Amino acid sequence: EIVLTQSPATLSLSPGERVTLSCRASQTVSRYLAWYQQKPGQAPRLLIYDASNRATDIPARFSGSGSGTDFTLTISSLEPEDFAVYYCQHHSSWPLTFGGGTKVEIK
Amino acid sequence: EVQLLESGGGLVQPGGSLRLSCAASGFTFTSYDMGWVRQAPGKGLEWVSSITTTGGSTKYADSVKGRVTVSRDNSKDTLYLQMDSLRAEDTAVYYCAISKSGTGWKFDSWGQGTLVTVSP
Repeated sequence: EIVLTQSPATLSLSPGERVTLSCRASQTVSRYLAWYQQKPGQAPRLLIYDASNRATDIPARFSGSGSGTDFTLTISSLEPEDFAVYYCQHHSSWPLTFGGGTKVEIK
Repeated sequence: EVQLLESGGGLVQPGGSLRLSCAASGFTFTSYDMGWVRQAPGKGLEWVSSITTTGGSTKYADSVKGRVTVSRDNSKDTLYLQMDSLRAEDTAVYYCAISKSGTGWKFDSWGQGTLVTVSP
């Protein structure tokens, strides 16, 4: 099983700041990595797939990068609606696994 | 607009059974692989099971293998999860999600979830 480790667990930031979230895989997942956003009481929403492709209707301030075992989700300038929990997920092999999540909270 | 509506959750005793359903609309059901992902209260996401467009291939997490069966009825645009021998650790919100066939097992859209509580 591929373990995905996200860091940090929590980030306290202000609107307008740049955010960089990390996801590290225990073995290579090539570029088969997705990022999701989840707000309280809501279902997750796909943000990024195949490491760097934005999903439909996702704003350009969200970007993803990386390959192999190290991946990054960047939010160029935090909007109020971006405060949420972010998860990475690989789909390079079975079982599919998710990272433990990074909570981005208002400072 | 894609809509996924889960139902069938509720309170069940340990050892009991439940069948979850996910009614789909707004897209071509047979063009999408489907999956179930769960989230225990206050915890992260855990993949449970997946099924291909025709139902010809199914996958399960080790934590549920042998106790859970995923299926779909393409004539009704509905996904199912039969859950048996339920345990306290199965308590979670269960989401159904879709993945465009051939594009990899990332989950493009999700339902709002149904809560399963396993307790005496």
